[in-house]
This record gives sequence, structure tokens and C-alpha cells, in this order.
Amino acid sequence: QKEVEQDPGPLSVPEGAIVSLNCTYSNSAFQYFMWYRQYSRKGPELLMYTYSSGNKEDGRFTAQVDKSSKYISLFIRDSQPSDSATYLCAMSDPYSGGYQKVTFGIGTKLQVIP
Amino acid sequence: DGGITQSPKYLFRKEGQNVTLSCEQNLNHDAMYWYRQDPGQGLRLIYYSQIVNDFQKGDIAEGYSVSREKKESFPLTVTSAQKNPTAFYLCASTGRDYNEQFFGPGTRLTVL
Repeated sequence: QKEVEQDPGPLSVPEGAIVSLNCTYSNSAFQYFMWYRQYSRKGPELLMYTYSSGNKEDGRFTAQVDKSSKYISLFIRDSQPSDSATYLCAMSDPYSGGYQKVTFGIGTKLQVIP
Repeated sequence: DGGITQSPKYLFRKEGQNVTLSCEQNLNHDAMYWYRQDPGQGLRLIYYSQIVNDFQKGDIAEGYSVSREKKESFPLTVTSAQKNPTAFYLCASTGRDYNEQFFGPGTRLTVL
């Protein structure tokens, strides 16, 4: 079993839809949770970063963490064609001592259709 | 503007050749990383360095080498020992908070 599971998609939605992207994980030591957006042939860009359970909102984006279920989500409201990209979840254990390895999901490819 | 630069953007290599990928950052970050990204496999860690003159192997270091002579620079050499080097290579760095990794634009290496 992989430490982080993420459905690769592709996920196609109409413009204006609410998008829900999800990851599950098995390592209960993970405390930091991140979402990256990666456009085709580009480097990943950090979108959201959260340390605790609950919700964190930034504009049209909401990151949600449920540590009891080992489940994290990224919601995109009023999705736009410019949101079409691959979204990677990432997480790490800050108390592992020394180097904190970041573990990435495989990425979900999202297409928002005008 | 602070950021991470990688060069070249595209690189073609003949079998048996060594090639070096450049990564430079002006974020004053201590830690730097090299990842390889293949379709359907996500990001895999090749090497990382937490301070100058020190670096550690990641999960897939075989066939690769690195150096860290300056804080700003972390070049990756893909040697002829790497049997399947065609991939998208990403460099990243982090500050004191080792959890937020910032990425460069990537180098796409193709073996001819």
C-alpha cells in the first residue's frame, strides 16, 4: 500500500462547477499537508498549506484535513478553464528528526470545460 | 524576484553520455532537492542537500550524482549508469520550514 493514495483522473467538469480533489494516507505521523498545482510541462506551484485538521480557505480554494480519517481534500469553487492542471497532494512528518521527507500523491489531472 | 531556475529547459542525450542539469536558487534556502517525475509515478526523490558540502541519497539515487559547493547551486549529473534517464527533472528548495517545497520549472531530458 502506498503511503499516499490519489486518483489520477482525469476529472472533467464544466466551467463554474465545484471541484473536489482528494487524497488518503496511511502514515498517522503526517502533520503538514500541502496542495500543488502543476500545469503541463511546468514545475509544481504551492497552492495551499495547512498544519492542522479543519478547513483553510484562500479565495476560491479550500483545503480540508481530517486526520481521524486520514483524508485530505481540496475544493475549487467556480472552477475556471485556467484551473485545468494536475493537482498533487503532499504531506510530511515534521517530527521525524533531521530531514523531513515530503511524500507526494501521484496527482489528479483536472480539465475544466468552457 | 526570488525563485528557482533550472537549465536547460530541454536536453537531449545520446546513450553513454553524462549530462549535467543546472539548478540555482536566490531564496536563501538551505535545503535543496532533486526529483524525477514520470507519467503515472508521481515525484520520486533522487538526492537532497540540507547544507553546503553535504548531500544525501534519496529513493532512486543510482546512476545520478550531485554536488553542493554553493548554497545557491545544486547541479545534478545524470550518468551513463542510469539505464532509463528519459524523464522530467524537478529541482526544489525549502527554507527553515522544511515542509514547504518550492519548485523550479523543470528540465525535460530525452535520451536519443
